[in-house]
Amino acid sequence: SSDLTQDPVVSVPLGQTVKITCQGDTLRTYSATWYRQKPGQAPLLVIYSNYKRPSGIPARVSASRSGNTASLTITGAQAEDEGDYYCSSRETGNNIVLFGGGTKLTVL
Amino acid sequence: QVQLVQSGPEMRKPGTSVKVSCKASGYTFTGYYVHWLRQAPGQGLEWMGWINPTNGATQFAQKFVGWVTMTRDTSLGSASLELTALKFDDTAIYYCARASRDGYNTWYFEVWGRGTLVSVSS
Repeated sequence: SSDLTQDPVVSVPLGQTVKITCQGDTLRTYSATWYRQKPGQAPLLVIYSNYKRPSGIPARVSASRSGNTASLTITGAQAEDEGDYYCSSRETGNNIVLFGGGTKLTVL
Repeated sequence: QVQLVQSGPEMRKPGTSVKVSCKASGYTFTGYYVHWLRQAPGQGLEWMGWINPTNGATQFAQKFVGWVTMTRDTSLGSASLELTALKFDDTAIYYCARASRDGYNTWYFEVWGRGTLVSVSS
């Protein structure tokens, strides 16, 4: 399959926990990557290989994958966590990169 | 530090071509594939393809086959993206990104250029 599906909009009260999900059949086989993009900026890698955090990404950002669903969880959301979150993976059987449509996260 | 510096904004008329460059610094250019992605105004990320800086091999998303070219100049540590026969809906920010692969052979992009706005207007 070549689709990754994300909820378009998610909001979370300041300091609460939020989960952003990404669904797609390819996730049963391949890993999920997550990027955060703020207005006017390039995307920033926040999670790779399903759950690994690059240096500089705070521990309150975590992720997992189960079946056809990848999840990004922010525990104790802060204002700086606002932005558009994109999941990414690869197409089954070839080297094509897939992106979800993005989730706009608002911290209330 | 590791960075990708892209060329400046471009304006073109429909049917013309444009070339966007991406200069790498702070790392061995031939050690990482360079991918190109684009983002139309108010839209999500769209993957275009990659180039292997070592040998110049490329792979494209199907919709870009035949009218998009990716090249590299190893002496300059630079990659380029050329789009031909531009249409209005090619108006977008074009990003280059340095890629790595994980144990699942899934690409991820650790370093991004700041993006180059290409505007197609008559």
